[in-house]
Amino acid sequence: DQQVKQNSPSLSVQEGRISILNCDYTNSMFDYFLWYKKYPAEGPTFLISISSIKDKNEDGRFTVFLNKSAKHLSLHIVPSQPGDSAVYFCAVKRGAQKLVFGQGTRLTINP
Amino acid sequence: DSGVTQTPKHLITATGQRVTLRCSPRSGDLSVYWYQQSLDQGLQFLIQYYNGEERAKGNILERFSAQQFPDLHSELNLSSLELGDSALYFCASSVTLAGGSYNEQFFGPGTRLTVL
Repeated sequence: DQQVKQNSPSLSVQEGRISILNCDYTNSMFDYFLWYKKYPAEGPTFLISISSIKDKNEDGRFTVFLNKSAKHLSLHIVPSQPGDSAVYFCAVKRGAQKLVFGQGTRLTINP
Repeated sequence: DSGVTQTPKHLITATGQRVTLRCSPRSGDLSVYWYQQSLDQGLQFLIQYYNGEERAKGNILERFSAQQFPDLHSELNLSSLELGDSALYFCASSVTLAGGSYNEQFFGPGTRLTVL
């Protein structure tokens, strides 16, 4: 029973272009949504988040979009840089309950 | 550096054995979480402790147990190990139980467990 799905295991993008990572969830009761970034041999690091009362949150080159009717979350990175190459996990939560993570998408930025 | 430390970094052991993974949370963080990441899998939540008490349980096997000590460090004990237990085990910490509107968790670098 996967409550959070990242359907693309990998994504390859040219440096300077936009990277779009997607995440779908099943439970409309989730009220907070996060993206984590993970480099090899390191733990995940928090990147950006959005609450269910918003549909967009921006932080520098990173923007998270939330489409509640479609139960869809996306992360846009523009412009993409080589240092953005990593595995990206989306995570969702409901109230005080635990975070539920997706399987991750490996993003590769090509020079 | 997240401020969360985990030891050891790597652990190689045999089936049937028992191991203990250790986690020290960030200074001031009361909540500790344990996650398992198997090959090509997402992060599977195992268990959460808050100020020494178990608060939430996820997909944790009965062969696994954890505790949080008065100094807030935590240990994850894995026993009767099987090949399928080979994975990365992450510890994370956060300030509060739920973190208000969001619960930013800071992750340690993980312990890679290999069961042969």
